[in-house]
Amino acid sequence: SQQGEEDPQALSIQEGENATMNCSYKTSINNLQWYRQNSGRGLVHLILIRSNEREKHSGRLRVTLDTSKKSSSLLITASRAADTASYFCATGNTGGFKTIFGAGTRLFVKA
Amino acid sequence: EPEVTQTPSHQVTQMGQEVILRCVPISNHLYFYWYRQILGQKVEFLVSFYNNEISEKSEIFDDQFSVERPDGSNFTLKIRSTKLEDSAMYFCASSATAQETQYFGPGTRLLVL
Repeated sequence: SQQGEEDPQALSIQEGENATMNCSYKTSINNLQWYRQNSGRGLVHLILIRSNEREKHSGRLRVTLDTSKKSSSLLITASRAADTASYFCATGNTGGFKTIFGAGTRLFVKA
Repeated sequence: EPEVTQTPSHQVTQMGQEVILRCVPISNHLYFYWYRQILGQKVEFLVSFYNNEISEKSEIFDDQFSVERPDGSNFTLKIRSTKLEDSAMYFCASSATAQETQYFGPGTRLLVL
């Protein structure tokens, strides 16, 4: 079964607008992580939220987790052109040894 | 700031050849992982490694793959007989515990001809 599916697949916004990306998953998780990837490059960790947490903030990023709906969202406020990248959610299983990535959301922020 | 490093950054090999991808995890981390990303696709889990043994592996991680921690700092992924479909970016990651953030290396781009 697919785990950690994001929507939308692609998002195009103007600089200064907020961007919201969603992630859904199917099985029980221990934690959920959000990563950013610039084209063809490595993965940069953004935020980890544990299954007993509901919301976390880091700078312009806000992540929510709803375990009853098996979903998470990543909000980027006041977006910048430099935020243009692919964003992935990754769910850690309850054993903690396997992490499953979603297909990602491609965000394009127009200057 | 400590980071995960990987070598080489790029590797080109002929089908059927063996390749070894190398990673140096963050020094105080105990959990190590390999992932791959085929061009344009999502990141796929291959294997996790703790206490000198495989903790979990995916269906992709068949007998052609093996991992090793040959010394106190390196963590390697070996592909015994490469196939064309092994062409991908391979990422190594490490974490302090199984429930903590995984930090990724910059990746090795493998091209099998």
